[in-house]
Amino acid sequence: DTAVSQTPKYLVTQMGNDKSIKCEQNLGHDTMYWYKQDSKKFLKIMFSYNNKELIINETVPNRFSPKSPDKAHLNLHINSLELGDSAVYFCASSLGQVNTEAFFGQGTRLTVV
Amino acid sequence: GNSVTQMEGPVTLSEEAFLTINCTYTATGYPSLFWYVQYPGEGLQLLLKATKADDKGSNKGFEATYRKETTSFHLEKGSVQVSDSAVYFCAPGPSGAGSYQLTFGKGTKLSVIP
Repeated sequence: DTAVSQTPKYLVTQMGNDKSIKCEQNLGHDTMYWYKQDSKKFLKIMFSYNNKELIINETVPNRFSPKSPDKAHLNLHINSLELGDSAVYFCASSLGQVNTEAFFGQGTRLTVV
Repeated sequence: GNSVTQMEGPVTLSEEAFLTINCTYTATGYPSLFWYVQYPGEGLQLLLKATKADDKGSNKGFEATYRKETTSFHLEKGSVQVSDSAVYFCAPGPSGAGSYQLTFGKGTKLSVIP
């Protein structure tokens, strides 16, 4: 069973389009995250939700909007896609406690053309 | 918030060579410390962790010791294999009330050649 699954794995789209990436975890975790990994492999936190409530919202354009319908799901919607949005987006989840690690999905490689 | 300084790569080693990847951090309190590994085309996987000072995390021949005095968590392996080729990330965990996220270093790409 996949612990953290995100879809799609690859997404190629044109500039100006709107797209969504879905994430689901079956670990019973309370906290979920979206990270963006650039071409140099640098990982930057974008958002974090705890029990469906937004707790981290880093400096991200407001074209990016997370939605958590329940604590097992955290989707990422992106409006008006730009070339600079091309990256790999990772979903992760954790218990959200001090000594616990995060579990990552396989990533979604977004290419904006 | 927490921050991490990780040895810059890329690092290229011959098979069976000794590996060290340096990691130092700044953090509020004493967070757990993690090393994650990312194999090509995959997501991040937990490699090892240590939850308190002087703890040694180990897995697949890799080791790292939580050094509170030097705020370091260097990754070592005595004899690397081609299959260890990947990107390695050091990350202090959440620390303090209201803190939920891991903070990642910039990653160190390791290439092991036969």
